[in-house]
Amino acid sequence: DTGVSQDPRHKITKRGQNVTFRCDPISEHNRLYWYRQTLGQGPEFLTYFQNEAQLEKSRLLSDRFSAERPKGSFSTLEIQRTEQGDSAMYLCASSLTGYLSYEQYFGPGTRLTVT
Amino acid sequence: SQQGEEDPQALSIQEGENATMNCSYKTSINNLQWYRQNSGRGLVHLILIRSNEREKHSGRLRVTLDTSKKSSSLLITASRAADTASYFCATDDSFIQGAQKLVFGQGTRLTINP
Repeated sequence: DTGVSQDPRHKITKRGQNVTFRCDPISEHNRLYWYRQTLGQGPEFLTYFQNEAQLEKSRLLSDRFSAERPKGSFSTLEIQRTEQGDSAMYLCASSLTGYLSYEQYFGPGTRLTVT
Repeated sequence: SQQGEEDPQALSIQEGENATMNCSYKTSINNLQWYRQNSGRGLVHLILIRSNEREKHSGRLRVTLDTSKKSSSLLITASRAADTASYFCATDDSFIQGAQKLVFGQGTRLTINP
């Protein structure tokens, strides 16, 4: 399967700990997005990369959150000093740029539980 | 923040019946997309309709878009048990922002009863 993959699928952590998630996009896709989804809601945009450049960050992304895409391939999302409000599903998506390439392909998500 | 609302929030129908879900949004858009999410396969893209299109079909799916009312509808015909899932509309205003970030609605939870 050459779709978007995310690791880990589930993460349980204690409040105050740091966590890091990884996303591997579809190999030829140059855009990569992170979204957060809480129970009963639709996904909310967090940030996106075009190649290795982080071009936009949502106001939802506090200074405890940092994302990287060092070589324009995989990406990591780190949350420092986790809070219970960070409990959510973190989704990664990738896409191509171009007039005819608006569809985003989502990974299975990483479910974070902060206790 | 969410772009708009989806209606209804939950829908339960018998297998074989048609299901219609509505989505309203707030800003001008480049395109509107519908996604399906279930526990087995995550978020899957279903169909995209551009702002200059009014109707689009894909298999058992029919999407309409009314930009004057800032609304869209998704029709699933001849529903099957496998259609049980949450359905989300997502708007893309990339011609304004320059990025294809999607703004999702809250979703409609569809249940198909055998």
